[in-house]
Amino acid sequence: DMKVTQMPRYLIKRMGENVLLECGQDMSHETMYWYRQDPGLGLQLIYISYDVDSNSEGDIPKGYRVSRKKREHFSLILDSAKTNQTSVYFCASSDSANTEVFFGKGTRLTVV
Amino acid sequence: GDSVTQTEGLVTLTKGLPVMLNCTYQTTYSPFLFWYVQHLNEAPKLLLKSSTDNKRTEHQGFYATLHKSSSSFHLQKSSVQLSDSALYFCALNNYAQGLTFGLGTRVSVFP
Repeated sequence: DMKVTQMPRYLIKRMGENVLLECGQDMSHETMYWYRQDPGLGLQLIYISYDVDSNSEGDIPKGYRVSRKKREHFSLILDSAKTNQTSVYFCASSDSANTEVFFGKGTRLTVV
Repeated sequence: GDSVTQTEGLVTLTKGLPVMLNCTYQTTYSPFLFWYVQHLNEAPKLLLKSSTDNKRTEHQGFYATLHKSSSSFHLQKSSVQLSDSALYFCALNNYAQGLTFGLGTRVSVFP
């Protein structure tokens, strides 16, 4: 069963705290992504990873960093979370040709 | 750079009516276009995809045709159902950075 799994699904953090969002996929896809979704702004690419330790900034990387030590796992880290990082975060993966991108169910992060 | 434009932010219509959601794109690469559908509190899921010019592609009653001459990939359905209420995204494969998404069109179907 092809799946992208995100943990946790819901998270509330205080401003200034560190946040770790985790993502796994079982399709051996080389490419993985982190997007955030805000009303009226669609899906914005934060980071893309082409394989282990091969990461690249997307359109809105400021305030985020990522880690990919295994092909099946891709983490998003917020060092010192800010209230404007309140959003829904989606992890996704695809094969190298990007013929289809599979999304996880998302993590709803609230920074208070 | 690559871009995708969806002109309608919200479409409201009555069950049984036809719908067309507009999507135009700009790219310097050979285009590969997608439509994703996202139901409330769910992940986006692939609905349609195409890279073939002037060929209609269909799935679950929805259809779209990629027209490279007009840089368009409009999504259509002849008779919408209540379950079609969702957010629809058009997306372009820019190869180097995955998918570039439009802002989305929310479709609300009423009885």
